[in-house]
Amino acid sequence: AQKVTQAQTEISVVEKEDVTLDCVYETRDTTYYLFWYKQPPSGELVFLIRRNSFDEQNEISGRYSWNFQKSTSSFNFTITASQVVDSAVYFCALSEADTNAGKSTFGDGTTLTVKP
Amino acid sequence: NAGVTQTPKFQVLKTGQSMTLQCAQDMNHNSMYWYRQDPGMGLRLIYYSASEGTTDKGEVPNGYNVSRLNKREFSLRLESAAPSQTSVYFCASSEVISRAHSNQPQHFGDGTRLSIL
Repeated sequence: AQKVTQAQTEISVVEKEDVTLDCVYETRDTTYYLFWYKQPPSGELVFLIRRNSFDEQNEISGRYSWNFQKSTSSFNFTITASQVVDSAVYFCALSEADTNAGKSTFGDGTTLTVKP
Repeated sequence: NAGVTQTPKFQVLKTGQSMTLQCAQDMNHNSMYWYRQDPGMGLRLIYYSASEGTTDKGEVPNGYNVSRLNKREFSLRLESAAPSQTSVYFCASSEVISRAHSNQPQHFGDGTRLSIL
């Protein structure tokens, strides 16, 4: 069975601080996909990144970066120089490749508040 | 650029009433999903459909039924609404390239806020 744990329920930072959101996953499959989604206060869910289990390279996109480590089953997300617009709920998700429907298991989410 | 469209956006029901939530996607995705989101509990999968004509139970299917009417549409039905079903419901779709085992990200609708009194 697959499981995703986001241990940080809420994080509060001041603008321009760096912040890391943790994600730990469990799966028995060797081929799987990891995702991060953002849910701003307006409520929609926005896809941020997708990673497959064979690609452990870290990824950077502007102020966002992701650290995938299979040895610790973690896929952490760092926001550098945070801004008020980064305030949102962030979800980590896991999808095993052998399910023909591509269904995902989501973590409970981390609510990030960035104060001016 | 419609993506995934859910209707209605808001609904208030009385206990025991029935209702169908509608979802349609225009991205030609084969897989579709229904989730509910409750405070502090993330997204929980209710039902999903890998292709037209097939549906499967997710984590929390009790009290719900679904219909995959065609490739575009996937509806969720509450036959006899209960207060415990008060939630925000999200429909999503994704492309799954099964031969390549390539699971693509899910695209979500804007959600339906459902209150059951």
